[in-house]
Amino acid sequence: ILNVEQSPQSLHVQEGDSTNFTCSFPSSNFYALHWYRWETAKSPEALFVMTLNGDEKKKGRISATLNTKEGYSYLYIKGSQPEDSATYLCAFATDSWGKLQFGAGTQVVVTP
Amino acid sequence: EAGVAQSPRYKIIEKRQSVAFWCNPISGHATLYWYQQILGQGPKLLIQFQNNGVVDDSQLPKDRFSAERLKGVDSTLKIQPAKLEDSAVYLCASSWRGLAGVADTQYFGPGTRLTVL
Repeated sequence: ILNVEQSPQSLHVQEGDSTNFTCSFPSSNFYALHWYRWETAKSPEALFVMTLNGDEKKKGRISATLNTKEGYSYLYIKGSQPEDSATYLCAFATDSWGKLQFGAGTQVVVTP
Repeated sequence: EAGVAQSPRYKIIEKRQSVAFWCNPISGHATLYWYQQILGQGPKLLIQFQNNGVVDDSQLPKDRFSAERLKGVDSTLKIQPAKLEDSAVYLCASSWRGLAGVADTQYFGPGTRLTVL
């Protein structure tokens, strides 16, 4: 089983501050990398699907970059708001059918 | 567009009992997934269906877990008998499975939180 590592495990951010965290994945046989946001008592919500080295995606104040050669992706939150509080999961597609291997997530808590 | 529906949302059972979960995917989505998420870990794929055929069930504990997707639409996941270590959130997801299958977004339901006592 391929390992997907996320760091840090959790972080606390003051409202208005920006933050970022990392997803590391195997650099060989890359298919795609997915980012999800999972708020408590809700369904995991898809943020980005990234397939090409150097990909940069943006959705509002959240953006992500991808480096497939070295096997990492960064997720950035600019000007954090309390509604950004959630667990952010990354998932690595391990085959051409899109089977996903998830990391354990980074739990983000934004305090007013 | 209606999302992925799951029921029940919560279930508490005694060990050795049986339990079943139901999932209705987004209309038109060919691929359906069942994941198990144990506290502190990421979701783990249990089984993946393409229409009503199984694509991957390599991580499904087949001695106690079973799943079916009759008519290629909704699906049920069953545990019989349950063990303490089955306590987890069971998530169902679906995707369109077009030509870019590997990059298909998976849409998740709210999950069923199972507690085995």
